[in-house]
This record gives sequence, C-alpha cells and structure tokens, in this order.
Amino acid sequence: DTAVSQTPKYLVTQMGNDKSIKCEQNLGHDTMYWYKQDSKKFLKIMFSYNNKELIINETVPNRFSPKSPDKAHLNLHINSLELGDSAVYFCASSRSTSGRANEQFFGPGTRLTVL
Amino acid sequence: RKEVEQDPGPFNVPEGATVAFNCTYSNSASQSFFWYRQDCRKEPKLLMSVYSSGNEDGRFTAQLNRASQYISLLIRDSKLSDSATYLCVVNTNAGKSTFGDGTTLTVKP
Repeated sequence: DTAVSQTPKYLVTQMGNDKSIKCEQNLGHDTMYWYKQDSKKFLKIMFSYNNKELIINETVPNRFSPKSPDKAHLNLHINSLELGDSAVYFCASSRSTSGRANEQFFGPGTRLTVL
Repeated sequence: RKEVEQDPGPFNVPEGATVAFNCTYSNSASQSFFWYRQDCRKEPKLLMSVYSSGNEDGRFTAQLNRASQYISLLIRDSKLSDSATYLCVVNTNAGKSTFGDGTTLTVKP
C-alpha cells in the first residue's frame, strides 16, 4: 500500500560506475519528480515529468538521465558516478502541476554514497 | 538572491511556546504555496497548503501575503513531536517547485 516507493534504499558504489534508481507511484498521479538533497540538507529539483513528458530539466550534468516508461514510473540513471553525486535522491509525485494539485508526495529516498 | 528564502534557525523553544516561521519568494508569478515538514533522515511530508485567505489546521496557521511576497507558519502550543525541519515550497503553474532551505525547530521539555 506504499504510495511512492523507491529502490534501492541505500546504494554504495565506486566512482566511475553506472547505477539506476527506480521509482513507482500507485496514486494515479500524472506528474513525477526527482530531487537531490545534499549533505547540507538543501533539496533541489532535478527533473519533472508530466504524462511521461519531460517538463522541467534543471541544470544537472548529462550523466543524469531520467526515463519514464509510463505514468507510474520514473527511473533515474546515473553514468560515471562522481564523489559529488553522493546525496539522498527523492522521487515525488503529484496529481498535476498547478494549484493544490501540485501537492507532492515523496518516496522514502535513496541514499547514494560514491566511494 | 535565492528564489525562496527562509530563516534557517535553529529555533529552540520550550513546550507550549508559540513559534512563527517566515518565508519570502522572489517570483511574483508564483501560484501555489505549501509548508512541508521533514524529520531527520526521512522524506518531506506535506504539512499544509497555504491559501490566499489564510488557513488553519489545529495548532498550525498559515498565511500568505502576495503583495509582500511572503508566507508564514505559526505553531501554537508547541509539542516535542513538532521538532523537525519546516520547508517552505513555492510553485509556478509551469510545474516548477522551489523549496526553501528549511527552518529547524527543536521543542524542548
């Protein structure tokens, strides 16, 4: 009955590796997001998808590539991992992008550590 | 200037105190506003939306001042369980959500 789920919860990997984080929501929402929360706890939006279409793409390196196979899933693939990628990555979803429909529900987060 | 600014705190208050947080935003086209709460090592969770006329939910009151571009959150009769980081969120209708850096509250016995 989890609303927004992410896997894995923890990810420890070496620099230079490629890894993916998966996100699924069962709320029937149209919009999904990826956020990065760094060691200083600042939460920054990375990407936003509405009905599988990319609508927000903040300034993130090309090594980060989101993929939305359907409205309920938004995965994040990261190539050539760097030390600075270490952070907690949160997936979120909302009914839509405007007004109160933009209330977002967050997944539990994926804690990525790059060694 | 940051798009959304909050006083980082920390706010340390005794149980039963009233505490207020403010948040200012720079984009006058912002359309919707929220307060989220984030506990340590947990995900942010919606606390309340902020309506133009102001709104209250139990001990929590949110206000919006569009002319001055700020929102506020008032917590009355603070409980130990209110200890958390409170995040102000401002959205445009284009779907962009900007989170403030958060205000940390610690309620002490």
